[in-house]
Amino acid sequence: AQSVTQLGSHVSVSEGALVLLRCNYSSSVPPYLFWYVQYPNQGLQLLLKYTSAATLVKGINGFEAEFKKSETSFHLTKPSAHMRDAAEYFCAVSETHKLIFGTGTRLQVFP
Amino acid sequence: EAGVVQSPRYKIIEKKQPVAFWCNPISGHNTLYWYRQNLGQGPELLIRYENEEAVDDSQLPKDRFSAERLKGVDSTLKIQPAELGDSAVYLCASSLLAGATTDTQYFGPGTRLTVL
Repeated sequence: AQSVTQLGSHVSVSEGALVLLRCNYSSSVPPYLFWYVQYPNQGLQLLLKYTSAATLVKGINGFEAEFKKSETSFHLTKPSAHMRDAAEYFCAVSETHKLIFGTGTRLQVFP
Repeated sequence: EAGVVQSPRYKIIEKKQPVAFWCNPISGHNTLYWYRQNLGQGPELLIRYENEEAVDDSQLPKDRFSAERLKGVDSTLKIQPAELGDSAVYLCASSLLAGATTDTQYFGPGTRLTVL
């Protein structure tokens, strides 16, 4: 079975600082990987997805993620955090048409 | 274009009572999903429909949960009777294609259920 592990349930950064949210996957087949964001009292919104094309994937709101097979990682980054980036972020892997989510990382952004 | 619509947004019930959640997917989307998100966790799939057919209900607790997607459009998820452990956010999602592993799933805002 495929799975993802998100390291760090909470991450705090200052506005303008680099955002790095970590995700490692476990899969016996080439994985399809996703990052979703969840704002308070809202559903999940897709940030970006990796589907075996380019290893560096650019998403919405200035986020990007790099697929590294050797490290089984798919970390999410953003060069400069904004206050509006404060939310819960979920990494997910697609397995037989369903998404397997990690436990989430809550990002706090301080002024 | 309207997104995935869910109602109600919040529901508080006593244990052993029934409850139902409704979802209207994005127009034209063939695949519909129900997920449950427990506090502090990621969503977990309960059931997946392709058109009218429930193609994956392996994680649905069938003794108390039921779902239907009549005419392959909107869907209802029911719990009867509800237990304290059912308190969670119930998310509906839809995707355009049937059977496409990489197709983007679009999520509704969810229904937050509290069982007292």
